[in-house]
Amino acid sequence: DIVMTQTPLSLSVTPGQPASISCKSSQSLLHSDGKTYLYWYLQKPGQSPQLLIYEVSSRFSGVPDRFSGSGSGTDFTLKISRVEAEDVGVYYCMQGIHLPPYTFGQGTKLEIK
Amino acid sequence: EVQLVESGGGLVQPGGSLRLSCAASGFTFSSYAMSWVRQAPGKGLEWVSAISGSGGSTYYADSVKGRFTISRDNSKNTLYLQMNSLRAEDTAVYYCAKGYSSSWYETYFDYWGQGTLVTVSS
Repeated sequence: DIVMTQTPLSLSVTPGQPASISCKSSQSLLHSDGKTYLYWYLQKPGQSPQLLIYEVSSRFSGVPDRFSGSGSGTDFTLKISRVEAEDVGVYYCMQGIHLPPYTFGQGTKLEIK
Repeated sequence: EVQLVESGGGLVQPGGSLRLSCAASGFTFSSYAMSWVRQAPGKGLEWVSAISGSGGSTYYADSVKGRFTISRDNSKNTLYLQMNSLRAEDTAVYYCAKGYSSSWYETYFDYWGQGTLVTVSS
């Protein structure tokens, strides 16, 4: 199975400051079709996960543009340009190419200072 | 608006069975693959099973293979997960999740339900 490793596992950020989460996969997520099957989800407290980013860098419908994704191959990053209070929760990366199974990172908990 | 509403969770003894349901609305159900993803208390996300839009293809995580069965009734816009031989380690919130395409493969989950809690304990 593909192992997804996130760092850090937790971070505390002052509102208005940037935040960055890294996700590394144990194998390349680049498909022969040219797409890279890496996704980012946010699970807010007491809620179900919600899709933020698909295929490395495309924001899902309704996701604020302060969220951005980048990376290639096995190394990926989610960045929040200016953290807001509503961004608290646990962020997960997920791979969707080496299946089954779909695999998620351990999660990164974002708190507000 | 896409809506996914799970039901059927509860307390069950080890070795017992439970059937989860996920009622879908707001999209053409038969055109999209569906998955079940679970989350043990205080833990991360674990994909459990997936089914293609037609229902003709199904896949399972090794941890549930042979014990769980995923199915769907496209006439009722409902996804199911039959869980047999339940173990304590199956205790989790179970989410149904809509796939982006009709294939269960190389897709992603764009909408999730609110989840239903399954507790396996004597």
